[in-house]
Amino acid sequence: LAKTTQPISMDSYEGQEVNITCSHNNIATNDYITWYQQFPSQGPRFIIQGYKTKVTNEVASLFIPADRKSSTLSLPRVSLSDTAVYYCLVGEAAGNKLTFGGGTRVLVKP
Amino acid sequence: DADVTQTPRNRITKTGKRIMLECSQTKGHDRMYWYRQDPGLGLRLIYYSFDVKDINKGEISDGYSVSRQAQAKFSLSLESAIPNQTALYFCATSDQQGDGYTFGSGTRLTVV
Repeated sequence: LAKTTQPISMDSYEGQEVNITCSHNNIATNDYITWYQQFPSQGPRFIIQGYKTKVTNEVASLFIPADRKSSTLSLPRVSLSDTAVYYCLVGEAAGNKLTFGGGTRVLVKP
Repeated sequence: DADVTQTPRNRITKTGKRIMLECSQTKGHDRMYWYRQDPGLGLRLIYYSFDVKDINKGEISDGYSVSRQAQAKFSLSLESAIPNQTALYFCATSDQQGDGYTFGSGTRLTVV
Protein backbone atom coordinates (compact mmCIF):
# COMPACT_ATOMS: atom_id res chain seq x y z
CA LEU A 1 0.00 0.00 0.00
CA ALA A 2 1.30 3.44 -0.90
CA LYS A 3 2.34 5.52 2.11
CA THR A 4 1.02 9.03 2.39
CA THR A 5 2.49 12.10 4.03
CA GLN A 6 0.42 15.13 4.93
CA PRO A 7 0.85 18.07 7.32
CA ILE A 8 -0.07 17.41 10.92
CA SER A 9 -2.15 20.55 11.31
CA MET A 10 -3.31 23.73 9.59
CA ASP A 11 -5.10 26.83 10.80
CA SER A 12 -7.42 28.95 8.72
CA TYR A 13 -10.14 31.56 9.05
CA GLU A 14 -13.76 31.52 8.06
CA GLY A 15 -14.32 32.30 4.41
CA GLN A 16 -10.81 31.35 3.33
CA GLU A 17 -9.82 28.53 1.01
CA VAL A 18 -7.93 25.68 2.61
CA ASN A 19 -5.55 23.56 0.59
CA ILE A 20 -4.10 20.37 2.05
CA THR A 21 -1.37 18.63 0.09
CA CYS A 22 -0.67 14.94 0.42
CA SER A 23 2.47 13.21 -0.86
CA HIS A 24 2.27 9.64 -2.15
CA ASN A 25 5.47 8.98 -4.05
CA ASN A 26 4.91 5.23 -4.34
CA ILE A 27 1.40 5.35 -5.75
CA ALA A 28 0.62 2.38 -7.97
CA THR A 29 -0.99 2.46 -11.38
CA ASN A 30 -4.29 1.07 -10.08
CA ASP A 31 -4.44 3.30 -7.01
CA TYR A 32 -6.99 6.03 -6.47
CA ILE A 33 -6.66 8.95 -4.07
CA THR A 34 -9.44 9.35 -1.54
CA TRP A 35 -10.01 11.95 1.15
CA TYR A 36 -12.05 11.54 4.31
CA GLN A 37 -13.17 14.01 6.97
CA GLN A 38 -13.52 13.09 10.62
CA PHE A 39 -15.14 15.06 13.41
CA PRO A 40 -14.36 14.20 17.06
CA SER A 41 -15.95 10.95 18.23
CA GLN A 42 -17.46 10.29 14.81
CA GLY A 43 -16.52 7.93 12.03
CA PRO A 44 -14.70 9.31 9.00
CA ARG A 45 -16.86 10.58 6.17
CA PHE A 46 -16.00 10.21 2.49
CA ILE A 47 -15.30 13.58 0.83
CA ILE A 48 -13.87 12.99 -2.62
CA GLN A 49 -11.97 10.52 -4.75
CA GLY A 50 -9.90 10.91 -7.89
CA TYR A 51 -7.42 9.23 -10.18
CA LYS A 52 -5.89 12.09 -12.17
CA THR A 53 -6.31 15.75 -13.10
CA LYS A 54 -9.14 17.46 -11.24
CA VAL A 55 -12.29 16.27 -9.54
CA THR A 56 -14.89 18.58 -8.05
CA ASN A 57 -18.03 17.96 -6.06
CA GLU A 58 -20.31 20.08 -3.91
CA VAL A 59 -17.92 19.89 -0.98
CA ALA A 60 -14.36 20.05 -2.32
CA SER A 61 -11.98 19.85 -5.23
CA LEU A 62 -9.14 17.42 -5.67
CA PHE A 63 -6.15 18.34 -7.80
CA ILE A 64 -3.82 15.60 -8.99
CA PRO A 65 -0.75 16.41 -11.11
CA ALA A 66 0.28 14.27 -14.05
CA ASP A 67 2.87 12.27 -12.09
CA ARG A 68 0.25 11.50 -9.39
CA LYS A 69 2.92 11.61 -6.66
CA SER A 70 0.93 14.16 -4.73
CA SER A 71 -2.57 15.54 -4.51
CA THR A 72 -4.21 18.62 -3.05
CA LEU A 73 -7.59 18.77 -1.39
CA SER A 74 -9.14 22.21 -1.70
CA LEU A 75 -11.95 23.33 0.60
CA PRO A 76 -13.48 26.57 -0.66
CA ARG A 77 -14.67 29.23 1.77
CA VAL A 78 -14.40 27.19 4.95
CA SER A 79 -16.67 27.69 7.92
CA LEU A 80 -16.23 26.84 11.59
CA SER A 81 -17.98 23.53 10.98
CA ASP A 82 -15.16 22.46 8.67
CA THR A 83 -12.87 22.10 11.69
CA ALA A 84 -11.96 18.41 11.54
CA VAL A 85 -9.22 15.94 10.73
CA TYR A 86 -8.73 15.24 7.03
CA TYR A 87 -7.22 11.97 5.86
CA CYS A 88 -5.58 11.28 2.53
CA LEU A 89 -5.65 7.63 1.48
CA VAL A 90 -4.25 5.84 -1.52
CA GLY A 91 -5.47 2.46 -2.67
CA GLU A 92 -7.62 0.59 -5.12
CA ALA A 93 -10.93 2.24 -5.90
CA ALA A 94 -12.85 -0.58 -4.24
CA GLY A 95 -11.31 0.48 -0.96
CA ASN A 96 -9.52 -2.71 -0.16
CA LYS A 97 -7.84 -2.43 3.21
CA LEU A 98 -7.51 1.32 3.30
CA THR A 99 -4.70 2.52 5.55
CA PHE A 100 -5.30 5.72 7.45
CA GLY A 101 -2.32 7.85 8.41
CA GLY A 102 -2.39 10.52 11.08
CA GLY A 103 -4.36 12.98 9.00
CA THR A 104 -4.28 16.77 8.98
CA ARG A 105 -6.01 18.57 11.79
CA VAL A 106 -7.67 21.68 10.33
CA LEU A 107 -8.78 24.39 12.71
CA VAL A 108 -11.03 27.10 11.30
CA LYS A 109 -11.06 30.26 13.37
CA PRO A 110 -13.70 32.98 13.42
CA ASP B 1 -31.90 4.86 10.87
CA ALA B 2 -28.17 5.00 10.29
CA ASP B 3 -26.71 3.06 7.38
CA VAL B 4 -24.11 1.47 9.66
CA THR B 5 -25.11 0.86 13.27
CA GLN B 6 -22.71 -0.07 16.01
CA THR B 7 -23.66 -1.36 19.44
CA PRO B 8 -22.95 -0.58 22.16
CA ARG B 9 -21.93 3.09 21.80
CA ASN B 10 -19.97 3.00 25.03
CA ARG B 11 -18.72 0.13 27.14
CA ILE B 12 -16.58 -0.24 30.21
CA THR B 13 -15.32 -3.71 30.94
CA LYS B 14 -12.81 -5.37 33.22
CA THR B 15 -9.50 -6.91 32.29
CA GLY B 16 -9.91 -10.54 31.27
CA LYS B 17 -13.56 -10.28 30.28
CA ARG B 18 -14.85 -11.33 26.89
CA ILE B 19 -16.68 -8.63 25.01
CA MET B 20 -18.41 -8.43 21.66
CA LEU B 21 -18.95 -5.32 19.57
CA GLU B 22 -21.65 -5.56 16.96
CA CYS B 23 -22.10 -3.90 13.61
CA SER B 24 -25.05 -4.05 11.25
CA GLN B 25 -25.57 -2.28 7.93
CA THR B 26 -28.42 -1.47 5.60
CA LYS B 27 -26.21 -0.42 2.66
CA GLY B 28 -26.31 -3.83 1.04
CA HIS B 29 -22.52 -3.79 0.83
CA ASP B 30 -20.55 -6.99 0.68
CA ARG B 31 -17.42 -5.61 2.29
CA MET B 32 -17.14 -4.85 5.99
CA TYR B 33 -14.26 -3.70 8.16
CA TRP B 34 -13.29 -3.15 11.77
CA TYR B 35 -10.92 -0.34 12.64
CA ARG B 36 -9.45 0.86 15.89
CA GLN B 37 -8.56 4.47 16.69
CA ASP B 38 -6.41 5.59 19.59
CA PRO B 39 -6.49 9.20 20.81
CA GLY B 40 -4.87 11.62 18.38
CA LEU B 41 -4.02 8.88 15.92
CA GLY B 42 -5.38 7.56 12.66
CA LEU B 43 -7.41 4.39 12.23
CA ARG B 44 -5.82 0.96 12.12
CA LEU B 45 -7.41 -2.02 10.42
CA ILE B 46 -8.20 -5.01 12.66
CA TYR B 47 -10.15 -7.38 10.40
CA TYR B 48 -12.05 -7.20 7.16
CA SER B 49 -14.48 -9.36 5.25
CA PHE B 50 -15.33 -9.21 1.55
CA ASP B 51 -18.33 -11.53 1.82
CA VAL B 52 -20.01 -13.85 4.29
CA LYS B 53 -17.48 -16.64 3.83
CA ASP B 54 -14.43 -14.42 3.76
CA ILE B 55 -12.46 -13.24 6.82
CA ASN B 56 -9.06 -11.55 6.66
CA LYS B 57 -6.65 -10.22 9.26
CA GLY B 58 -5.67 -6.59 9.20
CA GLU B 59 -2.56 -4.98 10.61
CA ILE B 60 -3.47 -5.39 14.30
CA SER B 61 -5.57 -8.57 14.61
CA ASP B 62 -3.84 -10.08 17.66
CA GLY B 63 -6.23 -10.29 20.62
CA TYR B 64 -9.31 -9.90 18.41
CA SER B 65 -11.61 -12.22 16.49
CA VAL B 66 -14.55 -11.57 14.18
CA SER B 67 -17.67 -13.28 12.92
CA ARG B 68 -19.58 -12.45 9.74
CA GLN B 69 -23.01 -13.79 10.60
CA ALA B 70 -24.71 -12.45 7.49
CA GLN B 71 -24.07 -9.93 4.76
CA ALA B 72 -25.40 -7.23 7.02
CA LYS B 73 -23.70 -8.21 10.28
CA PHE B 74 -20.06 -8.23 11.32
CA SER B 75 -19.10 -8.57 14.97
CA LEU B 76 -15.76 -8.03 16.69
CA SER B 77 -14.81 -9.94 19.83
CA LEU B 78 -12.13 -9.38 22.41
CA GLU B 79 -11.62 -12.81 23.95
CA SER B 80 -9.82 -11.54 27.03
CA ALA B 81 -9.82 -7.76 27.18
CA ILE B 82 -6.71 -5.91 28.30
CA PRO B 83 -6.27 -2.20 29.13
CA ASN B 84 -4.31 -1.36 25.98
CA GLN B 85 -7.38 -2.34 23.97
CA THR B 86 -9.04 0.78 25.30
CA ALA B 87 -9.89 2.71 22.15
CA LEU B 88 -12.58 3.90 19.78
CA TYR B 89 -13.71 1.13 17.45
CA PHE B 90 -15.28 1.76 14.07
CA CYS B 91 -17.09 -0.52 11.70
CA ALA B 92 -17.20 0.38 8.02
CA THR B 93 -18.68 -0.97 4.81
CA SER B 94 -17.86 -0.54 1.14
CA ASP B 95 -19.07 -1.82 -2.19
CA GLN B 96 -17.04 -3.12 -5.09
CA GLN B 97 -17.54 0.00 -7.15
CA GLY B 98 -15.27 2.05 -4.94
CA ASP B 99 -17.75 4.68 -3.82
CA GLY B 100 -15.94 5.08 -0.52
CA TYR B 101 -16.35 3.66 2.92
CA THR B 102 -19.39 4.27 5.11
CA PHE B 103 -18.48 4.32 8.78
CA GLY B 104 -20.56 3.72 11.85
CA SER B 105 -20.59 6.14 14.77
CA GLY B 106 -18.11 4.10 16.75
CA THR B 107 -17.95 2.20 20.02
CA ARG B 108 -15.90 3.71 22.80
CA LEU B 109 -14.43 0.82 24.77
CA THR B 110 -12.66 1.21 28.09
CA VAL B 111 -10.91 -1.74 29.69
CA VAL B 112 -10.12 -1.23 33.37
